[in-house]
Amino acid sequence: EDKVVQSPLSLVVHEGDTVTLNCSYEVTNFRSLLWYKQEKKAPTFLFMLTSSGIEKKSGRLSSILDKKELFSILNITATQTGDSAIYLCAVKNYGQNFVFGPGTRLSVLP
Amino acid sequence: GAVVSQHPSWVICKSGTSVKIECRSLDFQATTMFWYRQFPKQSLMLMATSNEGSKATYEQGVEKDKFLINHASLTLSTLTVTSAHPEDSSFYICSARDERGGDYNEQFFGPGTRLTVL
Repeated sequence: EDKVVQSPLSLVVHEGDTVTLNCSYEVTNFRSLLWYKQEKKAPTFLFMLTSSGIEKKSGRLSSILDKKELFSILNITATQTGDSAIYLCAVKNYGQNFVFGPGTRLSVLP
Repeated sequence: GAVVSQHPSWVICKSGTSVKIECRSLDFQATTMFWYRQFPKQSLMLMATSNEGSKATYEQGVEKDKFLINHASLTLSTLTVTSAHPEDSSFYICSARDERGGDYNEQFFGPGTRLTVL
């Protein structure tokens, strides 16, 4: 059965801290891994990763995939209160389904 | 970018009534749409995959007679919660798959519908 695991499930930091969120997976016919940020409504897209070792960056956020070890990390540097959200990792296989992890709830305190 | 809309954004209904939720891809065609359910403080749970012109594929444990899905066109899928009960109260999110592929987000979410059954 396809599975996506995220850790930690919950994290509280102060503004300015750097955080690393983890996502590991067991998926047959892996195609891509996606990170989403969810605040009050539906998730918003952050990154899609398909190749190992290539870092994707967007401002203070960055992510990388390791297809050999079957995991990805999402880094957020110089965190701000606006980064408080649930971060979801999803894996897509060639069967075209997305499997979501449980999410990491990040709280950034002022 | 691709936009997916959902209607209504929230609905309150009495137990026993049926509620229809619409999901539309506004600027692209989506042969495949997904319906998710999310309980408070939990992740998205895939309910079913909606395929244009054919029957939806339901995940294990999801009652297809209770959650009716119709994907009548390339831009519209509907989820009808039949004979709703309080335990059906949840946040329902649809997503539409963008077929363009490449190094591109392949799944666009609607804003979600919060259903409260009294």
